Amino acid sequence: RKEVEQDPGPFNVPEGATVAFNCTYSNSASQSFFWYRQDCRKEPKLLMSVYSSGNEDGRFTAQLNRASQYISLLIRDSKLSDSATYLCVVNGNNDMRFGAGTRLTVKP
Amino acid sequence: DADVTQTPRNRITKTGKRIMLECSQTKGHDRMYWYRQDPGLGLRLIYYSFDVKDINKGEISDGYSVSRQAQAKFSLSLESAIPNQTALYFCATSDRWEGYTFGSGTRLTVV
Repeated sequence: RKEVEQDPGPFNVPEGATVAFNCTYSNSASQSFFWYRQDCRKEPKLLMSVYSSGNEDGRFTAQLNRASQYISLLIRDSKLSDSATYLCVVNGNNDMRFGAGTRLTVKP
Repeated sequence: DADVTQTPRNRITKTGKRIMLECSQTKGHDRMYWYRQDPGLGLRLIYYSFDVKDINKGEISDGYSVSRQAQAKFSLSLESAIPNQTALYFCATSDRWEGYTFGSGTRLTVV
C-alpha cells in the first residue's frame, strides 16, 4: 500500500464548478499535511497547509480527518487557471511523502 | 533570484556517462532533498541531508550519490547514467515543519 494515495483523475469540470479531491495516508504518526499545486513541467508549489481544525483560503478549503487518515481539498467556483495537478503531501519519519497527484482540467 | 536554484535545467547525456546536477539555496534551511518525478509515480526521494555532515538514503538511492558541500549546496551525481534514470529531478529545502521549497527542476534524458 502506498503511503499517500490520491485519485489520479483526471477531473474535467466546467468553469464555476465545485470540485473536491481526497487523499488517504497510512502513517498514523504524521503531523504535517499540505496540498501542493504543480503545473505541467514546473516545480510543485505550496498551495496550503492543512490544519486539524480545517482551513480556508479564498476559494480553497482544506480539511483533515485524523481518525480516518484522510485529507481533502475543495475548490469552489473553479477558474480556468486552476487547471493543474494537485499533490497531497504528508510528513514521513524524516521527509515528506507525496501522492502521485490528481489532475484537474477546468474548461470554459 | 530564486530561493532554490538548480543547474542545468535540461540535459541530454549518453548511457555510461557521469553527470552531476547542482542545487543551491538562499533560504538558510538546513534540510535539503533530491527527488525524481516520473509520470504516474509522483515524487520519490533519492537522498536527503539535514546538515553538512549528514547524508541519508531515500527510497531509490541506487545508482545515485550526493555531496553536501555547504549548507547552501547539495549536488546529485549519476556515476554511470542509464536510460531508466531519465526523469525530472527536483531539489528541495525545508525547515522542520514547513513545507518544501522546490527548485525549478532538471529534465534529464539518458540516451
